[in-house]
Amino acid sequence: QKEVEQNSGPLSVPEGAIASLNCTYSDRGSQSFFWYRQYSGKSPELIMFIYSNGDKEDGRFTAQLNKASQYVSLLIRDSQPSDSATYLCAVDHSGGGADGLTFGKGTHLIIQP
Amino acid sequence: DTAVSQTPKYLVTQMGNDKSIKCEQNLGHDTMYWYKQDSKKFLKIMFSYNNKELIINETVPNRFSPKSPDKAHLNLHINSLELGDSAVYFCASSQQGIQYFGPGTRLLVL
Repeated sequence: QKEVEQNSGPLSVPEGAIASLNCTYSDRGSQSFFWYRQYSGKSPELIMFIYSNGDKEDGRFTAQLNKASQYVSLLIRDSQPSDSATYLCAVDHSGGGADGLTFGKGTHLIIQP
Repeated sequence: DTAVSQTPKYLVTQMGNDKSIKCEQNLGHDTMYWYKQDSKKFLKIMFSYNNKELIINETVPNRFSPKSPDKAHLNLHINSLELGDSAVYFCASSQQGIQYFGPGTRLLVL
């Protein structure tokens, strides 16, 4: 069974610090990796996606992928209270999205002012 | 402009009833999905449709049936609702694997 694992948290980080969110996946053939942010009562919102090993930066967000270790992470620099949310790691096993995404259970992030 | 929309936003109904949830996307995407998010916030794929053809059906009871009248619409029909069907149902659409979610439909079965 293809699984995606995340620490459910809560992960508490002081405002202005770096928040580090981690995710592991079981299917070595997985193609694409996504981070979604979900505020309480809202729908998942795409933050980052990454396909290749290494780092990908977008503003305050950096996604890191290590396929050999089956590990993907999200770093949030200069954390703001508005970053407080649940962060969902998602994996596309098939490539192209044909089978939908497999989600982790999410990490609840709290940014302390 | 709303990219992926769902109706209704809230749905409260009795056990045994039949209900439908509608989804529309104006992004021109080829693939649409239905996901279920349970009370523990776990988000799980139910169906995937590509160009009106069902691609995958993940161990979902046959009381649930997706219907796609055209590429921009994917509706979800649920027969004989059960208490365990209470959840938030999200529609999504994608192009080249990047998925965008609708606002969700909160279903409560009494």
